[in-house]
Amino acid sequence: QKEVEQNSGPLSVPEGAIASLNCTYSDRGSQSFFWYRQYSGKSPELIMSIYSNGDKEDGRFTAQLNKASQYVSLLIRDSQPSDSATYLCAAPGGYNKLIFGAGTRLAVHP
Amino acid sequence: NAGVTQTPKFRILKIGQSMTLQCTQDMNHNYMYWYRQDPGMGLKLIYYSVGAGITDKGEVPNGYNVSRSTTEDFPLRLELAAPSQTSVYFCASSYSIFDRDQPQHFGDGTRLSIL
Repeated sequence: QKEVEQNSGPLSVPEGAIASLNCTYSDRGSQSFFWYRQYSGKSPELIMSIYSNGDKEDGRFTAQLNKASQYVSLLIRDSQPSDSATYLCAAPGGYNKLIFGAGTRLAVHP
Repeated sequence: NAGVTQTPKFRILKIGQSMTLQCTQDMNHNYMYWYRQDPGMGLKLIYYSVGAGITDKGEVPNGYNVSRSTTEDFPLRLELAAPSQTSVYFCASSYSIFDRDQPQHFGDGTRLSIL
């Protein structure tokens, strides 16, 4: 059974700080990972994908992948109240399917 | 550009009633999925389809049925509604999960309460 695990939080950070969200996965063969952001009452939206070991940066967001440790993380720099949402980590779970973690709830307070 | 459209957006059912959640996509994607999301939880795969006429069970298929007669449509059927099926249901479609820009496109969801 392939699994993706996340700390459910809530993770509370002050405005302007760095928020660090973590995810571990069970399938050593996984090659791609995705971070989705989900605002309350809304559908998930893709914010980052990462395929290679190391860091991938996109604006205030940085995804980090360590395949040896089966660990993927998302850093949000200069956190804003508008970043308050649930962040879902996803990995391939079979033929063209994704497995989602339970999500980490992030609260950015002014 | 409609993307993935789900109807209805909200629905209240009585125990034992049946209903169909509609999902349609206009991107000519072969892959379609139904997920449920319980409060504070991630997405659980109910059923998926790899093309018209082909469907298969996901993690939590009990109490649901699907059909895929066309590429565009993937309805989800609840036959005997139970309180445990109270959830938010998301439909998604995909060209490929290896599409780095958008592995899955999601609809806006259907919020279903069973009382």
